Amino acid sequence: QQQVKQSPQSLIVQKGGISIINCAYENTAFDYFPWYQQFPGKGPALLIAIRPDVSEKKEGRFTISFNKSAKQFSLHIMDSQPGDSATYFCAASPITGNQFYFGTGTSLTVIP
Amino acid sequence: ETGVTQTPRHLVMGMTNKKSLKCEQHLGHNAMYWYKQSAKKPLELMFVYSLEERVENNSVPSRFSPECPNSSHLFLHLHTLQPEDSALYLCASSQDLTWNEKLFFGSGTQLSVL
Repeated sequence: QQQVKQSPQSLIVQKGGISIINCAYENTAFDYFPWYQQFPGKGPALLIAIRPDVSEKKEGRFTISFNKSAKQFSLHIMDSQPGDSATYFCAASPITGNQFYFGTGTSLTVIP
Repeated sequence: ETGVTQTPRHLVMGMTNKKSLKCEQHLGHNAMYWYKQSAKKPLELMFVYSLEERVENNSVPSRFSPECPNSSHLFLHLHTLQPEDSALYLCASSQDLTWNEKLFFGSGTQLSVL
């Protein structure tokens, strides 16, 4: 059973637009929700992360919105740029240990 | 550069071959991981090592054999693989196995099994 469900699978956005990627989970033991960014030929790299005691976290153009009651969280990329074109993975982990459950990834293409 | 180096970058092998993937981290971390990345699937955790001791093996077939000789090096020995084992194999490290440590990934080895 997939622990974290991610959508859409792929996304095309115009330069300057807003990119939105959604994730949902079921396990209420999850307590940490990172997003990883992966460029072609590279490994994933941590982009931004949130804990459920806050509903939103913003770092530059990247914002995570978190809805604990709905067990959903999303990544918003404001003013999307061609350099943001990459695959984005959401993940979740429980409060104990360092076991991460990843989504299936979203391939984002930002066209000039 | 993330500080985690994987070699080789690409590997093509037949089902009867034996090969090894190598990972080295220069970050002084105590935990290392092997992940499998297949298209349209979540990253799959294969093995976890903490201070050179295996702490988790997620029901990985015995044709994959990990080795962690020290906290900086991790190997994945491969033998009699199947075509469905073709994937990107990612090595990662973290400071420890405590709660919610950031993972640092290498660039991966793209494996093709013929």
